[in-house]
Amino acid sequence: DAGVIQSPRHEVTEMGQEVTLRCKPISGHNSLFWYRQTMMRGLELLIYFNNNVPIDDSGMPEDRFSAKMPNASFSTLKIQPSEPRDSAVYFCASTGVRDRQPQHFGDGTRLSIL
Amino acid sequence: AQKVTQAQTEISVVEKEDVTLDCVYETRDTTYYLFWYKQPPSGELVFLIRRNSFDEQNEISGRYSWNFQKSTSSFNFTITASQVVDSAVYFCALTHSGTYKYIFGTGTRLKVLA
Repeated sequence: DAGVIQSPRHEVTEMGQEVTLRCKPISGHNSLFWYRQTMMRGLELLIYFNNNVPIDDSGMPEDRFSAKMPNASFSTLKIQPSEPRDSAVYFCASTGVRDRQPQHFGDGTRLSIL
Repeated sequence: AQKVTQAQTEISVVEKEDVTLDCVYETRDTTYYLFWYKQPPSGELVFLIRRNSFDEQNEISGRYSWNFQKSTSSFNFTITASQVVDSAVYFCALTHSGTYKYIFGTGTRLKVLA
């Protein structure tokens, strides 16, 4: 079975540019999570969706960040405008509801803002 | 409040040694779930095990074993006869029945030296 698929794997862009990260969850999973990982702050939950609806976005750092899940098989995390402090690894994870299945993570997107 | 503490920031062992990674958690909930994840140098987060609060049985999977003790609020992970490929950062995580949000520990970096 295919796991969580994230794209791109690496992104290098200049400050001020718009960045879009993409995620395809595991088929059949109905919860999707976006995380950010940095050395200073560790793993931070940014937002999570249940059945395509954002449930908790309290971790989104500021208005420059937005996330959408237009259907069960696709989600985006957008940063506009990007800043150097947004440099991090961004992970997407998904899980099903039955018996509290574990979250399965994608390989991450390593984002560098110059 | 919920909290996960991984007090060992970094551990170095020589190949074939046994090593135990500690995880101590805090929660007021009676129904909760604990997880271990592995993050190898390549960066992805790999699910290893899930345990719910009603199941205190220890588990063994090959060279890996987990010791869950509610009395000490600990969920420790032991690698027997460690190998270089075990070198990674290991994260312990906690969630409870009312949410899908995970509380991650800060991780333990394990270095296995040849």
